[in-house]
Amino acid sequence: DIQMTQSPSSLSASVGDRVTITCRASQGISDSLAWFQQKPGKAPKSLIYAAYRLQSGVPSKFSGSGSGTDFTLTISSLQPEDFATYYCQQYNSYPFTFGPGTKVDIK
Amino acid sequence: EVQLVESGGGLVKPGGSLRLSCAASGFTFSSYSMNWVRQAPGKGLEWVSSISSGSTYIYYADSVKGRFTISRDNAKNSLYLQMNSLRVEDTALYYCARGIAAAGNYFDYWGQGALVTVSS
Repeated sequence: DIQMTQSPSSLSASVGDRVTITCRASQGISDSLAWFQQKPGKAPKSLIYAAYRLQSGVPSKFSGSGSGTDFTLTISSLQPEDFATYYCQQYNSYPFTFGPGTKVDIK
Repeated sequence: EVQLVESGGGLVKPGGSLRLSCAASGFTFSSYSMNWVRQAPGKGLEWVSSISSGSTYIYYADSVKGRFTISRDNAKNSLYLQMNSLRVEDTALYYCARGIAAAGNYFDYWGQGALVTVSS
């Protein structure tokens, strides 16, 4: 199985900050990497797929990059509605696996 | 508007069974793969099972293989998860998610979840 790790596990940031979250796969997954945002008590929301493609309706302040084993999610200017937990997921091969999540909260 | 609505959750004793349903609307259900993902209380996301648009291809996580069965009825725009031999560790919020097969079965829309509690 492909193991996914994320760093950091949590971070505190201020409104307006640029935030970067890293995701690493235990083996190469090409660009089969998605990012999801989850707020407390809510279902996950798709942000990015194919490592860098923005899901329809997602604002351009979110961006993704990477290929192979190392990936990043960047939020260019953090807004109050962006405080949430972010998960990466590989869908290159079954079983699909998620990272443990990165919680972004207010400094 | 794409909508996925899960139902069928509840409290069940260890060893018991439960069947979850996911009613889909707002898109051509028969053209999409479908998936179940679960989240234990306070924990992260865990993929459970996937089924292709025509039910030809089915996959399970090792943690549920042999106990859970995914199925779909394209005429009823519905996805199902039959859960047997339930364990305490199956307690979770179960989400159904639409998959884009052309993009490798990436999950683009999620339902709000159905809570399954396994406890004596």
